[in-house]
Amino acid sequence: DSGVTQTPKHLITATGQRVTLRCSPRSGDLSVYWYQQSLDQGLQFLIQYYNGEERAKGNILERFSAQQFPDLHSELNLSSLELGDSALYFCASSVAPRDGQETQYFGPGTRLLVL
Amino acid sequence: QKEVEQDPGPLSVPEGAIVSLNCTYSNSAFQYFMWYRQYSRKGPELLMYTYSSGNKEDGRFTAQVDKSSKYISLFIRDSQPSDSATYLCAMSADRGSTLGRLYFGRGTQLTVWP
Repeated sequence: DSGVTQTPKHLITATGQRVTLRCSPRSGDLSVYWYQQSLDQGLQFLIQYYNGEERAKGNILERFSAQQFPDLHSELNLSSLELGDSALYFCASSVAPRDGQETQYFGPGTRLLVL
Repeated sequence: QKEVEQDPGPLSVPEGAIVSLNCTYSNSAFQYFMWYRQYSRKGPELLMYTYSSGNKEDGRFTAQVDKSSKYISLFIRDSQPSDSATYLCAMSADRGSTLGRLYFGRGTQLTVWP
């Protein structure tokens, strides 16, 4: 168990709908990362938040948005869903330790199926 | 061309074999190199972490980085059926106050049969 929790574990929805994925980082971790894993693209970075502020953006569609709240949990909102959005969505968290070696710890993922 | 290339396999070996997994990359700015293991329907878990070039050993696992060739490897000695998983290489260029985004290979699916 990495200490990162994600809810829900599974989500089945229809095209055009909107869903919200939730992530709680490990205690003390200030950074939250969102990744999408699909069979054809592998693990792709979407977005990073650090202590409530957006830090970096990757291949995130305009239909997707995220935020990190004061208690450091994060939500990823996916709207106008398309069949191609079906994938595993992972959240990871990290903290920069004093010795300089940083680790991203991944949650168990949310499996999204768009029908 | 993807920034990180990894042969997806699948790779099937008998128990006790030495396994070699590899990735190549194109971005010379990458400084931090990692190997993650992902069991079916689970999140990736960190196996090895290496900064810049060189070797790192941890039990049955050895990670090698050759920045001049833009090539990284993971060796698994005395492989066990419990090593059956997908192995993902990952790398990053950022440092600052956090590691920054990771660039992943597609993953190599490994099966170790008894």
